[in-house]
This record gives sequence, C-alpha cells and structure tokens, in this order.
Amino acid sequence: EAGVTQFPSHSVIEKGQTVTLRCDPISGHDNLYWYRRVMGKEIKFLLHFVKESKQDESGMPNNRFLAERTGGTYSTLKVQPAELEDSGVYFCASSQVPGNYGYTFGSGTRLTVV
Amino acid sequence: GIQVEQSPPDLILQEGANSTLRCNFSDSVNNLQWFHQNPWGQLINLFYIPSGTKQNGRLSATTVATERYSLLYISSSQTTDSGVYFCAVGYKLIFGAGTRLAVHP
Repeated sequence: EAGVTQFPSHSVIEKGQTVTLRCDPISGHDNLYWYRRVMGKEIKFLLHFVKESKQDESGMPNNRFLAERTGGTYSTLKVQPAELEDSGVYFCASSQVPGNYGYTFGSGTRLTVV
Repeated sequence: GIQVEQSPPDLILQEGANSTLRCNFSDSVNNLQWFHQNPWGQLINLFYIPSGTKQNGRLSATTVATERYSLLYISSSQTTDSGVYFCAVGYKLIFGAGTRLAVHP
C-alpha cells in the first residue's frame, strides 16, 4: 500500500507570505495527525482529524495556522501569515485506530521562513 | 501531561557494537512507539510496543508498562543505523527528545 505522502518536501517563503502544506494519508485511515519539529526542540502534536472532523486541535500554536480535511481524505495545513518562528519540519501521520497499531508518518515538509 | 525522557541523549558507537536506548514515561499509556529519524529526516516506525517484547532483525524492543519504561536494543550496529531514535507515547504521540546515534566504521 502507498504510504503517507506529503508535499512539498521543502518550502522557502518570506515572512508574511502564505504557505499551504498537503498530506495524503494511507487509504482507509480515518485518523490523520499533524506534528511539527522546530529547530532544536521536540516533535510536537498539532492536531488530530477523524475523517473530516477536528477531534483535537489543542496543539495548534495560534490562529495563523488553519488545518482542513475536506471529504475526509487529504488534509492541508495553511500558515498565514508565516513568521520566522514557524520554520521547522511539519510531519503528517495516519492510523486506522487512534492510539493503537502504530502510526505511519510521511517524510515531512521542511519549511523555512526568511 | 505525560513526560517522556530518553537516555542517553547522544551515543557514539563503532560498527559492530551493541547498544541499549531507554525511554521512561511518567504515566500509564496504551500506545508506545519507537521511531528512527534517518539523516534525510524521515521518521521510520520501528515498533509499536505498548507492552512485551518484539524483535525485527538486529533490533528488538521491550516495554515494561507497569514500571513505565521501554528499551530499544540495537545489536551489531551498522553505519546505516545512525540518526535519531525517538520514543513516543499516548494517542497524541508525546515524543521524547530523542537519542542521537552515530555509528562509525
């Protein structure tokens, strides 16, 4: 089966611009998660979708971040306007059952805000 | 919230050596995973192991849920084992800070 796909793999944008990251989960996985790792820090949970519904968005840093999952398939994470501190690697993961059987991660999107 | 601590933070090995990485967590969990982040940044799922022992080739893992720790064993290490090893727990996957492993030929 195809894995979790993320694109772009890299993005360099200027402060104040908008960037949209995309994640395609494994087919049939209702649960989709976004994480990020900013430089030198730990990988942190951002939010969890069950199908198209946001189950938990407690990790979203502020209202400049907007995640959507229309139709319960792929998800997008938009950062608008981007700030320097948003630089880091954004990971997406999917699972069949939350908390069980393991999560599969995508390769991540490395975002650099200059 | 749950705290996850990994040790050691850094580890340098000669090729062929064995090693043990540890993950302590502060509360009971029903999900624990070990990941390897390779030099290209990819997070590779090594084990889903909320309890018990599993083996996959040169890697094995043991989780003692009642004592809130997990161990990852790497035997006969190879240079391709280099990278950062993460432990993560809970349904949100709370990550530890990782163990950075460098295997030298």
